[in-house]
Amino acid sequence: DGGITQSPKYLFRKEGQNVTLSCEQNLNHDAMYWYRQDPGQGLRLIYYSQIVNDFQKGDIAEGYSVSREKKESFPLTVTSAQKNPTAFYLCASSIVTGQTGELFFGEGSRLTVL
Amino acid sequence: AQSVTQLGSHVSVSEGALVLLRCNYSSSVPPYLFWYVQYPNQGLQLLLKYTSAATLVKGINGFEAEFKKSETSFHLTKPSAHMSDAAEYFCAVSDRRGYSTLTFGKGTMLLVSP
Repeated sequence: DGGITQSPKYLFRKEGQNVTLSCEQNLNHDAMYWYRQDPGQGLRLIYYSQIVNDFQKGDIAEGYSVSREKKESFPLTVTSAQKNPTAFYLCASSIVTGQTGELFFGEGSRLTVL
Repeated sequence: AQSVTQLGSHVSVSEGALVLLRCNYSSSVPPYLFWYVQYPNQGLQLLLKYTSAATLVKGINGFEAEFKKSETSFHLTKPSAHMSDAAEYFCAVSDRRGYSTLTFGKGTMLLVSP
C-alpha cells in the first residue's frame, strides 16, 4: 500500500543531543513537509521541499535541519540548538502539478527530551 | 497571508446530537479549504475538501461542510454524533499555489458523551 512511513514512533533524547527523524513516502509525490504539533497550537510548518536537493524554511525552522537527496525521503534533524524540542512531529507529502493542496500525513513521531 | 480561526478548543456533545465545529478563514485569493481529523498519537486524515466545485461538500464518516464566501466560513457538521467521532479536528486553508503549504487552525477537540 502507498503511504508515508515515519520512524521512530517514540524517541527520547537527552539535552544537547541531535536526533534525526525519518520520513519515507512511496506515493511518488513531489513535495514533502515537516510540521510540529504542540497541544493547543495546531500544526506549524518547519521545512518543506518541492523537489530533490531543494528545500525552504517554514515558520519555525530555527534549531532544525533537513535534506532531500531522494524524492522518497525527507529526514528531519532536531539539533541541540532547538530550545524546546519536545513535541509531536508530522511528515506529509503532496502532488505539486495540478494538485488541490491536499496533504497526506504519516503517523507521526513523538520526541521527548529528558 | 492566509489564516484560519477555529472557534472553541473543545466542543462537547451527547451521542446522537448534532455536531457543529466552526471554522473561519482569511485568504487574499479564492481558497481551497480542508477538514482533517486526528485520533490520539496518529497522523491527520482528510475528512473533506472544498476546491471551488459545489459549496456543500460531503466527506467521510457522515461529515459535511458548507463553504460560505460571504461569511468566510467553512463549518463542519454531522447530524448525529457517534462515540467514535471523538477526536481532534483541524480546519486548513491553501492559497492554491503549485505547491501546498497549508495553514492550519489550532484544532477543536470533540468530546462525545453517552
